[in-house]
This record gives sequence, C-alpha cells and structure tokens, in this order.
Amino acid sequence: EIVLTQSPGTLSLSPGERATLSCRASQSVSSSYLAWYQQKPGQAPRLLIYGASSRATGIPDRFSGSGSGTDFTLTISRLEPEDFAVYYCQQYGSSMYTFGQGTKLEIK
Amino acid sequence: QVQLVQSGAEVKKPGASVKVSCKASGYTFTGYYMHWVRQAPGQGLEWMGWINPNSGGTNYAQKFQGRVTMTRDTSISTAYMELSRLRSDDTAVYYCFFITVTAAWKDYWGQGTLVTVSS
Repeated sequence: EIVLTQSPGTLSLSPGERATLSCRASQSVSSSYLAWYQQKPGQAPRLLIYGASSRATGIPDRFSGSGSGTDFTLTISRLEPEDFAVYYCQQYGSSMYTFGQGTKLEIK
Repeated sequence: QVQLVQSGAEVKKPGASVKVSCKASGYTFTGYYMHWVRQAPGQGLEWMGWINPNSGGTNYAQKFQGRVTMTRDTSISTAYMELSRLRSDDTAVYYCFFITVTAAWKDYWGQGTLVTVSS
C-alpha cells in the first residue's frame, strides 16, 4: 500500500498570500495518478486536481498542482477567504487507493 | 441534475452489521465507478473501495477485506456498502461518490451517513 505523507500539518497564512502544500508518497505514484481534494467543515470533499496537475471542472485557476514520482505539490497562488479548509491528496495509481492525512489551511 | 442520496443515520451495537445505501439520479448509473470513503470524527478521509455498477466488480481496501461488501441494484440505480463485525472505531461518516472522467473531471458526493457504533 502506498502511504502518502502531507506537510505541513497546519499552515497559517493570510488572504492574498501564496500557499504551498506538499504530498510525499512512500513509492512512486504510477502515471502521476495523484489527486487533491478540499474539505470544509460539515461538507463532503471536493475534487480540485487530478492527474497531478489538471484542474477539475469549475476549479479556479489560482489552484495548481505539480509533481511526479513521489513528490507532489498543491499551490494556491493568492488565497481567498473561502480557501481556508483542509486539503487531502489521494493516489489512485495502484489498486489500493490511499489518502494523505490532510493539511489544515487556517487564517493567520 | 445529478444527485446521490444516502440513507439515514444508524446506531449499531458492536459486532453488528450496517448497510448504507446510495441512490443515484440524473445520470447513467452504470457509467461510472462508485467509491466509498469514511471519515471518523475529527479525522481524515479513508478510502474503502469501489464498485463497478455495470459489472458488479469490486475493489476493496486491504484494511476492510473480509468485512466490507459493496453491491448494487441497477434497476433502482442504487449502490450499497455493508460493513460487518462493527467496532467502536467504525464510528464515522460514510460517503459515496463518483467522478466523471470525460474532458475535465468532476466529482459528485452523497450527503454522508453517520454510523455510530456503541454498546
């Protein structure tokens, strides 16, 4: 099973700043089958990025994903108030899909 | 419009089983794999597995193999997730969801079902 480790656990930033979230895999993720989800309190998650770098339908272009192999990054170029949430990476390159433990993005 | 409507909250005793339903509407039910994830209170997301509604084929996370069964009834566009031999640490919100993989992907989620395991 591929283990995903996200860092940092909590990121404190202000609106307008740039956020960089990391996701490291215990082994190479096949074909960059890596997704990012956003979850707000009391809501279901929402898909942001798939294939490591492709934005899902309706996702603003301030969200971008990059990386390959074992190291992946989610970047939010300029934080909006609605971006403060928990973010999860997920790999779907092996038959056993797995999620990272999450990064909480909080307002500083 | 596309909707996934899950069954209501459940309270179960340790050792019992629970079966959560996920009724789909607004799209071709057999067209996309249905996934199940869960989230314990204050914790992260845990992938449980998927079912291919067309064939009935399944793929379960290793952690749940032997305890989880995912099925579907195509006549009523409904997917089911049954978890047996419940323990207190199975207390969680259970979600069904699917992703359309045409052009740019889009995900659709059920509202979640809280399963509480308590003696």
